[in-house]
Amino acid sequence: QVQLVQSGAEVRKPGASVTVSCKASGYTFTNYDINWVRQATGQGLEWMGWMNPQNGKTGYARNFQGRLSITRNTSTNTAHMELSSLSSEDTAAYYCVRYLAVRDAFDVWGQGTMVTVSS
Amino acid sequence: QSALTQEASVSGTVGQKVTLSCTGNNNNIGSYAVGWYQQISHGAPKTVMLGSFLASGIPDRFSGSKSGTTASLTISGLQPEDEADYYCSTWDHSLSAWVFGGGTKVTVL
Repeated sequence: QVQLVQSGAEVRKPGASVTVSCKASGYTFTNYDINWVRQATGQGLEWMGWMNPQNGKTGYARNFQGRLSITRNTSTNTAHMELSSLSSEDTAAYYCVRYLAVRDAFDVWGQGTMVTVSS
Repeated sequence: QSALTQEASVSGTVGQKVTLSCTGNNNNIGSYAVGWYQQISHGAPKTVMLGSFLASGIPDRFSGSKSGTTASLTISGLQPEDEADYYCSTWDHSLSAWVFGGGTKVTVL
């Protein structure tokens, strides 16, 4: 079945960077864009950016321009989200999600990765 | 301040029909399909509707529609397991970004 499995929880100090991975299975990885969405505790969902795994093209939300990088490894069917210059406001659950173009919506979500930024 | 506006909370009894709304503008809902996502007890979101199409494994008591710049999610025959937060989302071409509503908490009385 179609699955996105994310890497485990991370703890970082302010100013550091974090990379979260998202491994796809059950479908052709390069045929569907991957997006990243985050959710601070008790808050709503916030879109971060997207990547086309076929050509590596990306697009980022303005709030994250300059400190967000989404990449992929097509040999392992894995997308990576790196966020740098972390502050306590980046403490959140981070989700990868597949975009289904034929329906113009997200369809499959990863299980989430908790990132805690604390000194 | 979310780009899409949702009710903060909606409640109903078992078997009741409830409708959640999601209001945007012509840059987003007026131009694109709207997805609806269910989140139970702060777990990972789960896709319920992709526009008017039911996501895989979702019971058919859920339905989605759109009129102009407002989208709606209807639960016909509310069940205890439907108690969750529901988020709407769509693309916004003026922002070049996906936008979400603030979420609606559905409570089953």
